[in-house]
Amino acid sequence: GQNIDQPTEMTATEGAIVQINCTYQTSGFNGLFWYQQHAGEAPTFLSYNVLDGLEEKGRFSSFLSRSKGYSYLLLKELQMKDSASYLCAVRDLAGNMLTFGGGTRLMVKP
Amino acid sequence: ETGVTQTPRHLVMGMTNKKSLKCEQHLGHNAMYWYKQSAKKPLELMFVYNFKEQTENNSVPSRFSPECPNSSHLFLHLHTLQPEDSALYLCASSQNGELFFGEGSRLTVL
Repeated sequence: GQNIDQPTEMTATEGAIVQINCTYQTSGFNGLFWYQQHAGEAPTFLSYNVLDGLEEKGRFSSFLSRSKGYSYLLLKELQMKDSASYLCAVRDLAGNMLTFGGGTRLMVKP
Repeated sequence: ETGVTQTPRHLVMGMTNKKSLKCEQHLGHNAMYWYKQSAKKPLELMFVYNFKEQTENNSVPSRFSPECPNSSHLFLHLHTLQPEDSALYLCASSQNGELFFGEGSRLTVL
């Protein structure tokens, strides 16, 4: 089975840094994805980690530790438009299916 | 624009109605998915199709009936739904595990 946990809500200030954590216990692992979903819109791809370490992409970075079943998404220089839900998802061994966590709703305040 | 188009965007139906949701992808992907997104719940995988063949049915009630006539089109036929089926239904396609989502169809069952 798959169990993926992330905080339900977080609040941060414009210009600050925020870290969104995700822990997982899965029967198989073949990569971890982060998606961003604005209210009323489709989830969009942010990052993908399959090996341990940090992947940096502009203001967003994602970290993975497979031994700890842990990932985080780091958002720097927060902007108001970063207010959204952030979804952590684990891919199965066959590579065909993603199982999602409940999502973290991030509110960025001025 | 993610390359995945869903219609209708909003649907209201009674419990005795029959309706269908449509999804079309213009990305040349081989896999297509239906996910259900309810308030305060993780994205739930419903069905997976690979090369038009259903490879996953995640214990979905028979009142939801998928159809995949070709690799670019996916339907979800709805019949005698319950109010608790009200949710956002998201279609997605993928080639190598990364999902590309449509905007979703917001379904309300009265």
